[in-house]
Formats: sequence, C-alpha cells, structure tokens
Amino acid sequence: KQEVTQIPAALSVPEGENLVLNCSFTDSAIYNLQWFRQDPGKGLTSLLLIQSSQREQTSGRLNASLDKSSGRSTLYIAASQPGDSATYLCAVRQTNAGKSTFGDGTTLTVKP
Amino acid sequence: SQTIHQWPATLVQPVGSPLSLECTVEGTSNPNLYWYRQAAGRGLQLLFYSVGIGQISSEVPQNLSASRPQDRQFILSSKKLLLSDSGFYLCAWSLTGAYGYTFGSGTRLTVV
Repeated sequence: KQEVTQIPAALSVPEGENLVLNCSFTDSAIYNLQWFRQDPGKGLTSLLLIQSSQREQTSGRLNASLDKSSGRSTLYIAASQPGDSATYLCAVRQTNAGKSTFGDGTTLTVKP
Repeated sequence: SQTIHQWPATLVQPVGSPLSLECTVEGTSNPNLYWYRQAAGRGLQLLFYSVGIGQISSEVPQNLSASRPQDRQFILSSKKLLLSDSGFYLCAWSLTGAYGYTFGSGTRLTVV
C-alpha cells in the first residue's frame, strides 16, 4: 500500500526566502506526482504535474522535482511572498484508473 | 475548457437526516470521478471513484454511498447521517492515463 509523507507539517519563513517542501512515497511504481495548493476552506488548486518519465517541472517561481528511485519529490518556491501562504499537498497516482494517495500537506506561512 | 461544479458549498444537517451532494463536470467525456473527504488539518481520504456510468468503487466501508447516473454527474449520498460524517468533501475528475486531478471547490458538511 502506497504511503505518502510530507515533512515538515508546518513551515514559517520570512518574505523573500527560497524554500523547499518535501514529499516522500514508499512505492516507486507511479504514473505521476502532482503538487497542489489549498487555501483555508477551499478546494485544491493544481500547481505542477510531473510524469513518471520526467525529472522536473517548472511554473513561474515554482519548480518540482521527482526522484522515483529514492521515492522523493521536492517543491521549490523561489523568492517567497505572503500570498504563497497556504497548505501544499502532494499526490501520487499509481493506477491507470487514476487512484491517487495524498500526503497530509505542509502548511506554509510567509511573514511580511 | 473543462470545469467542475460542486454544491452546496456549506451544509448543516441534523444527525439521522439524509444527504445528497452533487458534482458535475463540463467540457470532457468519460472522466474518472472521485469523492474525497478531508478531516481538519489532514490529507485527503478517497471515498469512492468511478470510471464510467453505474461503475462505483468504494474505498472505505462507511455510512455513505455514491452513484453516477450520467457520464459527468457524480452524487454522494447517505440515508442517515452520523456525527462522524462531518468534514470537507471534495469532488475531482481526471482521465485514464497519466493525467492530473482537477478538484471542485468542496462542501463543508457539519452534522449536528
């Protein structure tokens, strides 16, 4: 059974700092890995989707990497802003039908 | 473009009352559809998923059921709500293959 872990559970940084969020998974046989952002009381917004054959994806200040052999993905946020404050979740998709396992998320606070 | 609609946004129901949450997707055909529940401060728990009309897979034995009467409609139901059914319910869609998830805006259910 796939297990997805996100450490730390919470992170607080000053504005402007570069930071890395971690996602670990136990079964490397995956289709893809997806990073989401969730604001309080809201649904999940997709940030980046990395296919199993890819090593990284970039969107603006965000860069996600994938290392299947070690069961790890990282989300790098450059020059953090207070608007980046949210909970970030990763999801690992394992089957063709699309069942994914989610981590519990990392709650990020960027202080002005 | 594809859109996903989920309603209502919030719901307060007494214990023992019935439940019906609806989710519809526009702009795509034969999507895979999912119902997730999110406990406070936690990740997402997959409740049901469907790969086609009338095809429902249950992940967690519980007081809830799901139906898919049309290709792009997914309904979450209960005949008698329990206090433990309170939570944030999220609908999502994807396609078979190496695709990502798109989530609805969620329903906050409080059972009193």
